[in-house]
Amino acid sequence: RKEVEQDPGPFNVPEGATVAFNCTYSNSASQSFFWYRQDCRKEPKLLMSVYSSGNEDGRFTAQLNRASQYISLLIRDSKLSDSATYLCVVNRAGTYKYIFGTGTRLKVLA
Amino acid sequence: DAGVIQSPRHEVTEMGQEVTLRCKPISGHNSLFWYRQTMMRGLELLIYFNNNVPIDDSGMPEDRFSAKMPNASFSTLKIQPSEPRDSAVYFCASTPTGRNTEAFFGQGTRLTVV
Repeated sequence: RKEVEQDPGPFNVPEGATVAFNCTYSNSASQSFFWYRQDCRKEPKLLMSVYSSGNEDGRFTAQLNRASQYISLLIRDSKLSDSATYLCVVNRAGTYKYIFGTGTRLKVLA
Repeated sequence: DAGVIQSPRHEVTEMGQEVTLRCKPISGHNSLFWYRQTMMRGLELLIYFNNNVPIDDSGMPEDRFSAKMPNASFSTLKIQPSEPRDSAVYFCASTPTGRNTEAFFGQGTRLTVV
């Protein structure tokens, strides 16, 4: 079983839709959580960190559920420019190790 | 700051040849990571350094792979001999000290072994 698991998708949604991705992690000692975005043939870039109390950044909301060991990303009012792969990232406690999920592909359709 | 710089951007080599990938982390960052990305396996952590010291190389696939960080501003990932299954995009990333910090990625090296 992979340490970080995501549904690969693709999620095809119309512009303006709300879409949510989940990610599960297996190591209960995981300490920090992030969502990264990767455009085709580009490097991953930080979208947002995920805090225990949940956090919002514009149209993006991230949630953490430690009891069930999953994090989520909600995108409201999807734009064409949101089309990308979204990577769930977990930092293992006591280390500097960033473990990436394989990513969820999102395609926003006009 | 120029960000994490990797070279070359693209590399095509024949099976059996030695390949060296290079990375210059962001100045002042203490941790450096090498990742490999393929369609099948996603982003896999190969090795990471903290203060130029290799901390965890458990992701290095086999003895053909080696990595060094001779100083705070330079790291190499070497594959010798290369095989077609090594074809992938290799990313280098760096972070400042602290755990809840952003990892900054270079643009990657696209390696094709024929």
